[in-house]
Amino acid sequence: SAVISQKPSRDICQRGTSLTIQCQVDSQVTMMFWYRQQPGQSLTLIATANQGSEATYESGFVIDKFPISRPNLTFSTLTVSNMSPEDSSIYLCSVGGQGAHEKLFFGSGTQLSVL
Amino acid sequence: SQQGEEDPQALSIQEGENATMNCSYKTSINNLQWYRQNSGRGLVHLILIRSNEREKHSGRLRVTLDTSKKSSSLLITASRAADTASYFCATDQRSQGNLIFGKGTKLSVKP
Repeated sequence: SAVISQKPSRDICQRGTSLTIQCQVDSQVTMMFWYRQQPGQSLTLIATANQGSEATYESGFVIDKFPISRPNLTFSTLTVSNMSPEDSSIYLCSVGGQGAHEKLFFGSGTQLSVL
Repeated sequence: SQQGEEDPQALSIQEGENATMNCSYKTSINNLQWYRQNSGRGLVHLILIRSNEREKHSGRLRVTLDTSKKSSSLLITASRAADTASYFCATDQRSQGNLIFGKGTKLSVKP
């Protein structure tokens, strides 16, 4: 199992600003995943953060808007840049269990509201 | 792309009743997983069923998988108010490199 500490838990931000979300895992993991959950919707994968290389972004998500850092095997950050009200969502980090896509463990989420 | 589709979208039952949620998907999978989310917080893994399995139990949870119909169901027996949450299925597809989550079923259990 993995315990993930994610912060901040929530924030209210002004349009045009940026917010950096941090995730700390209590064990070393190869891949960390960043998801977005828009209000009342399901989870959409933003990117996979790999230690020592650039993150892999899913279709519709770009590095300029969602830069990711992965300085070591236990930590990652996601920045939401130049925010607009459409970025209001819950952002979640997660790590895999035995296999990369088996039994994901999630952080508690960051509820972002952009005014 | 989103693939798992749960139904119903919302379910309201009385404590003690059973709750059944269904999930359908479109392509071949390695496994299917169910997760629970309380009040927009982090998801918690409930159960994983592999493509070669047909049924799995964990406590009050029972999951079935029908790969011929590309569907799964999650049954929660003897529900409790604390089971109130959103439930999501997620598929590990053979053609994709990540989990695809469904839209979820919002379950409300009234005491």
